[in-house]
Amino acid sequence: QKEVEQDPGPLSVPEGAIVSLNCTYSNSAFQYFMWYRQYSRKGPELLMYTYSSGNKEDGRFTAQVDKSSKYISLFIRDSQPSDSATYLCAMSSRGSNDYKLSFGAGTTVTVRA
Amino acid sequence: DAMVIQNPRYQVTQFGKPVTLSCSQTLNHNVMYWYQQKSSQAPKLLFHYYDKDFNNEADTPDNFQSRRPNTSFCFLDIRSPGLGDAAMYLCATKRRVGQGNEKLFFGSGTQLSVL
Repeated sequence: QKEVEQDPGPLSVPEGAIVSLNCTYSNSAFQYFMWYRQYSRKGPELLMYTYSSGNKEDGRFTAQVDKSSKYISLFIRDSQPSDSATYLCAMSSRGSNDYKLSFGAGTTVTVRA
Repeated sequence: DAMVIQNPRYQVTQFGKPVTLSCSQTLNHNVMYWYQQKSSQAPKLLFHYYDKDFNNEADTPDNFQSRRPNTSFCFLDIRSPGLGDAAMYLCATKRRVGQGNEKLFFGSGTQLSVL
């Protein structure tokens, strides 16, 4: 079993739709949860960061963490064609000085104009 | 302005011919990472440096080596590339952005093809 599982996609949605992305994980030691966005032929860039359980909102993006279910989500409201990218979830355990991230395989999203 | 710079963006090599990928950073971060990312797969950590201390992942093949001559530069050497080594290679650096809040900065990657 992989440490982090991510819905494989791909997803294709019309402009303005809500995009929902999900990951599950098996390591209960994970405390830090991140979403990275990766455009084609580019490196990942940090989009959202959450510590422990709860919700975090940043503009059109909302990250949710449910540690009891070992489940995290990213919602994109009013999606735009510029949101078309691969979204990677990532997580790590507390106190790791070398900060090794465990990544999901990514979900590719296409927002149609 | 790019803060983690990888060169070249695209590299083509022949089966078994050594190749070196480079990464430089202007951020003065003390931690640098090399990840391998194959199509539709999660980035896989190969190794990382904490300052000059080298940390190899247990499952990283011996074919992959790394050098970090100074804080700003890090190199990935593939001694005898095989077809299975064709992938995107990502360099990243780390800094702390708040209490317990770490952030990785990635370069744009080098796409390696092996013929």
